[in-house]
Amino acid sequence: DGGITQSPKYLFRKEGQNVTLSCEQNLNHDAMYWYRQDPGQGLRLIYYSQIVNDFQKGDIAEGYSVSREKKESFPLTVTSAQKNPTAFYLCASSAPTGGAVYGYTFGSGTRLTVV
Amino acid sequence: KNEVEQSPQNLTAQEGEFITINCSYSVGISALHWLQQHPGGGIVSLFMLSSGKKKHGRLIATINIQEKHSSLHITASHPRDSAVYICAVSGGATNKLIFGTGTLLAVQP
Repeated sequence: DGGITQSPKYLFRKEGQNVTLSCEQNLNHDAMYWYRQDPGQGLRLIYYSQIVNDFQKGDIAEGYSVSREKKESFPLTVTSAQKNPTAFYLCASSAPTGGAVYGYTFGSGTRLTVV
Repeated sequence: KNEVEQSPQNLTAQEGEFITINCSYSVGISALHWLQQHPGGGIVSLFMLSSGKKKHGRLIATINIQEKHSSLHITASHPRDSAVYICAVSGGATNKLIFGTGTLLAVQP
């Protein structure tokens, strides 16, 4: 079955270390997204990519980096410059379903805890 | 003011009750999405609406484009419906999603 795979589900890192979160999709979707979720807040967009080898900053990109070398993969690196990295990270992809409307598929998320 | 507002933020119901969650938005959209997030975090897409009404099992979603308002209804609620329900809208050149903060629903037996 097609879907999005995020790994790992839980991740612990020491402060000051970079960490990379994996996101893989086999849906043949062009667009992929990374969101961050904090308690009491809506999901916020970190980075998005609409096509291979191209990506754009979202609303909270500072301290994060991404790459899109393959259509299937959109890894997110949380760098030591991110001041408050402990959060739940969600990957998503989308494709047009007809006209201007896009359907979305979501991964199961990675909960990152920095100690 | 958030571009997508949900109400209520928290909702407790007894099993069997009819539940309504509301969503209002202030931006132009191409579609509105209702999502479900269970403990553990994974998100499932329930509905995607551009107009009118959709039904899937005990779930019904409606949207009024003129009033920029949508509702999610759950009929004959069950404890397994307990989750966070999130409203999100998409549109514009990039079709990015803008999320509400979610409604935490607890259905008690």
